[in-house]
Amino acid sequence: QVQLVESGGGLVQPGRSLRLSCAASGFTFSSYGMHWVRQAPGKGLEWVAVISYDGGNTYYAHSLEGRFIISRDNSKNMLFLQMNNLRVEDTAVYYCARRAEWDWRYVDPWGQGTLVTVSS
Amino acid sequence: QSALTQPPSASGSPGQSVTISCTGSSSDVGGYKYVSWYQQYPGKAPKLMIYEVTKRPSGVPDRFSGSKSGNTASLTVSGLQAEDEADYYCSSSTGGNNLVFGTGTKVTVL
Repeated sequence: QVQLVESGGGLVQPGRSLRLSCAASGFTFSSYGMHWVRQAPGKGLEWVAVISYDGGNTYYAHSLEGRFIISRDNSKNMLFLQMNNLRVEDTAVYYCARRAEWDWRYVDPWGQGTLVTVSS
Repeated sequence: QSALTQPPSASGSPGQSVTISCTGSSSDVGGYKYVSWYQQYPGKAPKLMIYEVTKRPSGVPDRFSGSKSGNTASLTVSGLQAEDEADYYCSSSTGGNNLVFGTGTKVTVL
């Protein structure tokens, strides 16, 4: 079965950087686009970014202002999110998720998430 | 891109129906067929329940149905069961290859 396991979260100071990872298994990783979605504590879901199956295309939420970079390593079945110049408002659980079978605009399944806390 | 607007809460007794609205604009909900709904239990990852406005993934009970009229999409849960108590989020494609989620609705089974 599909498994998505995020790692790399933790406590980081404002202005610093952090790199999240997502290990994928149970499907042909190199055939699927992948998403990052975040959820601030007690708040709703916010789409962050998507990357195409081969890494050739990436799209980001406009609100990120170019601070985040999504990437992948198909040889290792790994997805990444490089987060730079972090702000307090970036505090959230970050979910790694696969595009659904029907279209990249649907997100399923999801990992269990990794918590990123930005605080001084 | 602002979040799509959902009511904060909705409720119904077991066996009844509850409908959740998701209001956007012609730039998202009204302009695309790519509307979906997600169910999330506390402390858990979301799960896709409806895609392309009305379609159900395999394994999702047919008690869940979706519709759209203009800039507003809706999710209806018929024959409410205790296990349906969760948070529900809509999502839509927007121009520029972006996605936007709704503000979320907490469904309570009375």
